[in-house]
Amino acid sequence: GAVVSQHPSRVICKSGTSVKIECRSLDFQATTMFWYRQFPKQSLMLMATSNEGSKATYEQGVEKDKFLINHASLTLSTLTVTSAHPEDSSFYICSAWDQGIQYFGAGTRLSVL
Amino acid sequence: ILNVEQSPQSLHVQEGDSTNFTCSFPSSNFYALHWYRWETAKSPEALFVMTLNGDEKKKGRISATLNTKEGYSYLYIKGSQPEDSATYLCAWPSNAGKSTFGDGTTLTVKP
Repeated sequence: GAVVSQHPSRVICKSGTSVKIECRSLDFQATTMFWYRQFPKQSLMLMATSNEGSKATYEQGVEKDKFLINHASLTLSTLTVTSAHPEDSSFYICSAWDQGIQYFGAGTRLSVL
Repeated sequence: ILNVEQSPQSLHVQEGDSTNFTCSFPSSNFYALHWYRWETAKSPEALFVMTLNGDEKKKGRISATLNTKEGYSYLYIKGSQPEDSATYLCAWPSNAGKSTFGDGTTLTVKP
């Protein structure tokens, strides 16, 4: 089956730094990828839809200047958490669809000190 | 705002027990319902794609049913094994690919 690879799996950073998370579709092309966030004991919540070659669309309440999304190729989307603060600490996971099935990366645990 | 709810939140069973969990969702404008299995430190893995009222799908010891009129789906595991321990998520996808997830049911199967 299709595989979505996400890196890094875990990152610890100081407050004020920026963190980039990569999401790759390894054996299929994805014109659209999705970024979700999960806070402890909560469900996965959609943050934004990443569109190849065009601007991402963000869900209500998600700051586009804080969470920069770039989808420069058919197999790679990146999420950059800019000037991270402790409240950005969360679990971030990406997904893409292939033939009606949604495939996920393994997620990134971000801890901002 | 779509509301997808799962119950119970967690479940502890003995090896060999059969178990089931529930996912409830809005019954209007149904498009599809997906079940995922999510093991710790791994990617969520698609189990079932449910689209038709009355659907019943099976994969080994795991099966799922769908009632779109009343807005619920059941996931059944027959003869639970320790390797079935995981979080089981249901999700309501839109035709644009966005998914609304339940909180998940975390299953622990004790040997």
